[in-house]
Amino acid sequence: DVKVTQSSRYLVKRTGEKVFLECVQDMDHENMFWYRQDPGLGLRLIYFSYDVKMKEKGDIPEGYSVSREKKERFSLILESASTNQTSMYLCASRGADVFYGYTFGSGTRLTVV
Amino acid sequence: SQQGEEDPQALSIQEGENATMNCSYKTSINNLQWYRQNSGRGLVHLILIRSNEREKHSGRLRVTLDTSKKSSSLLITASRAADTASYFCAGDSWGKLQFGAGTQVVVTP
Repeated sequence: DVKVTQSSRYLVKRTGEKVFLECVQDMDHENMFWYRQDPGLGLRLIYFSYDVKMKEKGDIPEGYSVSREKKERFSLILESASTNQTSMYLCASRGADVFYGYTFGSGTRLTVV
Repeated sequence: SQQGEEDPQALSIQEGENATMNCSYKTSINNLQWYRQNSGRGLVHLILIRSNEREKHSGRLRVTLDTSKKSSSLLITASRAADTASYFCAGDSWGKLQFGAGTQVVVTP
């Protein structure tokens, strides 16, 4: 069964810490995405990558960065965590065909205290 | 920015009834997709309709797309308790999905 795996289900971090959220897919997908989900706001795109070492800003990239050193792994980095980054973070991947749905991970619920 | 806006925000029905939810989007799209999310979990892809299609079926799901009105609808027929979830539409523009805020559906036995 193909899957997208997010390394942590729940995470609690302190304000100012550097936080790494890891995402791994086993489908050899070119495209990978990071979203955050907040009540009433739906999912908002933070960053995406269409190839190794490539990255593009989404709608809300401020306070985040990403890394894609290998095709299967896409990391989201919070350089200095703040309380307004408390959220559910969802990683997704998709192959080259745009007429195909995304496969999502189970999500990481991050709390910054 | 949100691409889609779902209506209603919440829907409560009984098993066996049909559930209909609507979605409006803002920009031009290649396709529109619907996803389901069970409480606190990741999203699961349900169905995709291309911009040149008007209607599509998959099992108990029926999706329509009206590009002139920038709107779509999802119909779930003969609903079951297991259909209780949040449903999101998402417009695909240049390979990026933009999601709406979702419709929360509760199906009671």
